[in-house]
Amino acid sequence: AQSVTQLGSHVSVSEGALVLLRCNYSSSVPPYLFWYVQYPNQGLQLLLKYTTGATLVKGINGFEAEFKKSETSFHLTKPSAHMSDAAEYFCALNRGGGYNKLIFGAGTRLAVHP
Amino acid sequence: DAGVIQSPRHEVTEMGQEVTLRCKPISGHDYLFWYRQTMMRGLELLIYFNNNVPIDDSGMPEDRFSAKMPNASFSTLKIQPSEPRDSAVYFCASSPWGLGDYEQFFGPGTRLTVL
Repeated sequence: AQSVTQLGSHVSVSEGALVLLRCNYSSSVPPYLFWYVQYPNQGLQLLLKYTTGATLVKGINGFEAEFKKSETSFHLTKPSAHMSDAAEYFCALNRGGGYNKLIFGAGTRLAVHP
Repeated sequence: DAGVIQSPRHEVTEMGQEVTLRCKPISGHDYLFWYRQTMMRGLELLIYFNNNVPIDDSGMPEDRFSAKMPNASFSTLKIQPSEPRDSAVYFCASSPWGLGDYEQFFGPGTRLTVL
């Protein structure tokens, strides 16, 4: 069975500080991995995705994530937080192979303070 | 493209009433998904369609919920009768087939309040 675990339901950082949001997954097949962001009162927007190839993936708004198979992790980072990064972030997995179903983590709410 | 379109954006109704939520997926996308988001349960997949056919409805909470996709450009999620515990934000998402990465594109959601 596939699952996604996001460590920390709330993360708070100072503006300009490093953002690190943790995601670990469990999958019996090589997964496709995604990070989505949800701003208040909006739908989910794709930040970045890993399918195959390069394990360091760059996304929008300066975010990046690294797929580490040995650690079953896909942590999201940004070198310098901005106030506009305050949102909820979801890590998700799709096992692919025609089984088109996203398994979401519980989400991490990021707060950025001055 | 206009993205995934959902209507209404907000719905307030009384317990026992029928509620119909609507979704127009991105043109050319073969998959359509309905999700529910609440504080207590997070994001839950209710049902998804492939080429207008329901593939997995295991997330539909009970018989009060039904979903249809009469054609490739329209889907409905109906709750009848509605109950206060159905209050949530309902998202529709669509996904193309064959790209090998299964990205889903989400609509803005419908915020449902059942009094």
